Order: sequence, then C-alpha cells, then structure tokens
Amino acid sequence: QQQVKQSPQSLIVQKGGISIINCAYENTAFDYFPWYQQFPGKGPALLIAIRPDVSEKKEGRFTISFNKSAKQFSLHIMDSQPGDSATYFCAASIGAAGNKLTFGGGTRVLVKP
Amino acid sequence: EAQVTQNPRYLITVTGKKLTVTCSQNMNHEYMSWYRQDPGLGLRQIYYSMNVEVTDKGDVPEGYKVSRKEKRNFPLILESPSPNQTSLYFCASSRGRVHRSPLHFGNGTRLTVT
Repeated sequence: QQQVKQSPQSLIVQKGGISIINCAYENTAFDYFPWYQQFPGKGPALLIAIRPDVSEKKEGRFTISFNKSAKQFSLHIMDSQPGDSATYFCAASIGAAGNKLTFGGGTRVLVKP
Repeated sequence: EAQVTQNPRYLITVTGKKLTVTCSQNMNHEYMSWYRQDPGLGLRQIYYSMNVEVTDKGDVPEGYKVSRKEKRNFPLILESPSPNQTSLYFCASSRGRVHRSPLHFGNGTRLTVT
C-alpha cells in the first residue's frame, strides 16, 4: 500500500504549456514534502521542497501547491521546456523519524517542441 | 566533485549467485540509504544507515544485507538473488536527517536476475 499516491503516471505537454503533477498522502504526520527530478540514466535530484506551514512555494518555473486539509500537494511546471522532460517523484517524510523518504510512483513528463 | 558512486552500472546474474553492489560517497555524509526503483512503484527504501555501524531496515529489506564499516561506503549484498530482485537500484547519501537535508543519489545499478 503506497502511502503517497502520485498521478498521472505519464504526461505529454507542448512546449510553453503547464505540466501539473498531483500527489496525495494518508499519514498526517508527514511534515516535509520534496519533489525529485530524474533524467534518463541518472539518479533523482532534489528539485524543490515544501513544509506544511506554507501553501505555496515557487522557484523559477516550478511551483509547489500544498493543501493540508485535503492531504494533497502538486507540482506545476510553468512554460514547460523540452529540457524539463524527465521523471518527477513526489515524496514525504516525518520530521521526528527523519530517516526515510516515502516516494510516490513517479510521473514521466515529455515536453514536445 | 561531490558525488555518490555505485558499481557496477549493469549486472546480469543467475538465481542464487551472491553479489555485492558497492556504493561510496565523498561528501562525508552521515546518512546513507539504498532504494530500488520499479515502474509504477517509485523508489522504495531497502536499508538505511544513520552512521558507521548503525543500520536499519527500510520498507523492503527481505533478501538484502548491508554493512557500514566506514563512513564513505555502504555496500548492498544479495546473498541469494532471485528474479523478483530484478530492478534498478540507487544508493543515496545525505548530510543529516532527510527531512532537513537533500538526498544525493548515485546513477543507479540495473540488476537482472535470471
């Protein structure tokens, strides 16, 4: 049973469009929500992260929206570029435990030129 | 260059033949972990280590062993591999607890067990 459910599994978007990836979680003890980006043949790398005391965090073209009451968070990629084509993973961890990231199933994003 | 190095990148083996995947980091990180990546399941933690000689099970530890004799190295051992362990494996390290410090991943080891 996955504690963090991610959708969609794959996504195709035109260059300049908006990519939206959603994640939902069950455990209300989660208090750290990072997103990792993975290019083919490489390991994941931290893209952006949010804590539940804020509802939105923006870094360049990447924005995390967080809805604590709905237990959902999402990644928006604005003005999507072909170089954004990658697999994106949401994740969550519990501060008190602090020793494990629980990952979602991943979303493969393809940005068409 | 700060990095996590895994070897080998690709490995094909047969059921029951013991193997070791090595992992080394040059960032003096305390925390190290192994994950397996399977389609649709994301990354699932196998084992982790908070420091030298301190290891603990993750979500899917069955069939795997680890050791942490030195801070920089964290090998993954499959004593008797089975086909259901065919997967893409990642080693990762972090300066501290993962809710404060980002995980740095290696480039993966693709294992096929026939």
